[in-house]
Amino acid sequence: AQTVTQSQPEMSVQEAETVTLSCTYDTSESDYYLFWYKQPPSRQMILVIRQEAYKQQNATENRFSVNFQKAAKSFSLKISDSQLGDAAMYFCAYRSPINRDDKIIFGKGTRLHILP
Amino acid sequence: ETGVTQTPRHLVMGMTNKKSLKCEQHLGHNAMYWYKQSAKKPLELMFVYSLEERVENNSVPSRFSPECPNSSHLFLHLHTLQPEDSALYLCASSQDTPRGRAGEQYFGPGTRLTVT
Repeated sequence: AQTVTQSQPEMSVQEAETVTLSCTYDTSESDYYLFWYKQPPSRQMILVIRQEAYKQQNATENRFSVNFQKAAKSFSLKISDSQLGDAAMYFCAYRSPINRDDKIIFGKGTRLHILP
Repeated sequence: ETGVTQTPRHLVMGMTNKKSLKCEQHLGHNAMYWYKQSAKKPLELMFVYSLEERVENNSVPSRFSPECPNSSHLFLHLHTLQPEDSALYLCASSQDTPRGRAGEQYFGPGTRLTVT
């Protein structure tokens, strides 16, 4: 069965610094999707970044980038130039291909604090 | 209205009540989802309607009953709930393709459910 592990329940970073959130997963599939979602105190879940497993290039979205290591089954999120608005819970998620017993699994989350 | 909307935002119900949660997406997507978010637990996928097919989730108790009358609307019918069903219920939608390529999910603001 697929699993997603976020080993850091909480992290803190100084404003304007860079922080990396870790995520590992387990699957026997070769084609799948990985996501990072952000949930601020408002509870609105917001997509941060998406990676398709068949793509070797790491996804980037402005200050957010991932380090996707398929062999190691690792999918870390790097936030550069951290801003106060980045404070939130961050969830890593795995999704299997739709036509293969659609599974969507979230990690337990990492609470990120931004220190002014 | 834009994005994904959910009503009501807050709901308190007794264990013998019957109520329904409503979700509407204004994004033209073809897949919709119900999630349960409890304290200290990972986000749990409850139901998926993708490409007009419902993906069963046998681990969800029968006191939760989904209904998807069309691609824009999704309901979660609740009856004889238990206190442990108290949680934030999130709806999401995505645009998936018949070839099995999953789109990223856009989430609604959630319904905070309290069962007394």
